Amino acid sequence: AQSVTQPDIHITVSEGASLELRCNYSYGATPYLFWYVQSPGQGLQLLLKYFSGDTLVQGIKGFEAEFKRSQSSFNLRKPSVHWSDAAEYFCAVGLSAGGTSYGKLTFGQGTILTVHP
Amino acid sequence: GAVVSQHPSRVICKSGTSVKIECRSLDFQATTMFWYRQFPKQSLMLMATSNEGSKATYEQGVEKDKFLINHASLTLSTLTVTSAHPEDSSFYICSYLATNEKLFFGSGTQLSVL
Repeated sequence: AQSVTQPDIHITVSEGASLELRCNYSYGATPYLFWYVQSPGQGLQLLLKYFSGDTLVQGIKGFEAEFKRSQSSFNLRKPSVHWSDAAEYFCAVGLSAGGTSYGKLTFGQGTILTVHP
Repeated sequence: GAVVSQHPSRVICKSGTSVKIECRSLDFQATTMFWYRQFPKQSLMLMATSNEGSKATYEQGVEKDKFLINHASLTLSTLTVTSAHPEDSSFYICSYLATNEKLFFGSGTQLSVL
């Protein structure tokens, strides 16, 4: 069975600083990887996803993530954090790139990001 | 704006009572939707998958008689936690799979059973 680990439960950075959120996965087949963000009172919003191809994926809001098969990692990065990025971030692995199984995701525990002014 | 409306956002109930959580897609129709829950300090875990008009498929370890899912239309689904107990206290979140294979999540419901 697949699993996802986000080692950092809570990260605090200063506004303008760079950010990296870690994600490690365990999955026997080709991984379909996602990063979601959840702000208070909001639903999960997709930041980016990786299915195949270029291992550096660009997402919304200036985020990017790099798939490293050798390290089983899919870390999320942003060069300069804004106060509005404060939220909880979830890494997830999916079973497929389409069809009904597309929505069956295995999530990490989440990382809460706090941004100091 | 939100494309999936989930409510209530927070509910506190007494042990033994039933709680209904509603999930509605606002501007799209979807045949497939998912219910997840998250216990404190744990991951979001898939509970069940449901297709409009048919019985839900539950993940291993999830009691179908306890967590009743009604997916009667393409825009509305409900999860009823029957005879809730303190161990059912959790964060429940719904997700719709749109026809363009995009997933849309509700904002979640925090259930606390006293």
